[in-house]
Amino acid sequence: QQQVKQSPQSLIVQKGGISIINCAYENTAFDYFPWYQQFPGKGPALLIAIRPDVSEKKEGRFTISFNKSAKQFSLHIMDSQPGDSATYFCAASMNRGSTLGRLYFGRGTQLTVWP
Amino acid sequence: DAGVTQSPTHLIKTRGQHVTLRCSPISGHKSVSWYQQVLGQGPQFIFQYYEKEERGRGNFPDRFSARQFPNYSSELNVNALLLGDSALYLCASSWSYEQYFGPGTRLTVT
Repeated sequence: QQQVKQSPQSLIVQKGGISIINCAYENTAFDYFPWYQQFPGKGPALLIAIRPDVSEKKEGRFTISFNKSAKQFSLHIMDSQPGDSATYFCAASMNRGSTLGRLYFGRGTQLTVWP
Repeated sequence: DAGVTQSPTHLIKTRGQHVTLRCSPISGHKSVSWYQQVLGQGPQFIFQYYEKEERGRGNFPDRFSARQFPNYSSELNVNALLLGDSALYLCASSWSYEQYFGPGTRLTVT
């Protein structure tokens, strides 16, 4: 079953607007939550990541909000630009046992930013 | 610093053939993981290797195998290729929580 559920599947935002992508998980053993950005024909690039001991992490225009009790986390892209148009994946991993570092990915969100 | 490198970039194979994909991790990274990404989906975990030992295996058939060499580079082998094996194969290297992906090998099985 899908360990990490991501929504929406696609998102269209005006230039300068805020893009919000949501993810939810069930396994409370997850202790690392990264977001990846992927352009067509390229490998996923690590964008920003959070551990469950903090509720928010900001890097430039990208912010992760984390709600441990709800088992949800989201990516906010402020002042969205056409160059942000890509597919975004949330993921989760747990560092214990034989599954050390294995990433479980969401299905992805295709973001389009209109100029 | 060089990132994760993978070869070849693209590959076309016929059903039933065998394929070998190669990956060189970021310098200093001792762990390599392989993922399969089918068009329109998120990457799916295949294997993880750390210090030349298999540390994890995803839900893939025994036709898939891998190994890691003393210089931490890795190979993914797939035998008896099926049409459904057509995908982007990604290699990721890590030394801690963060995993950094290479550009992938696009495998097409005809």
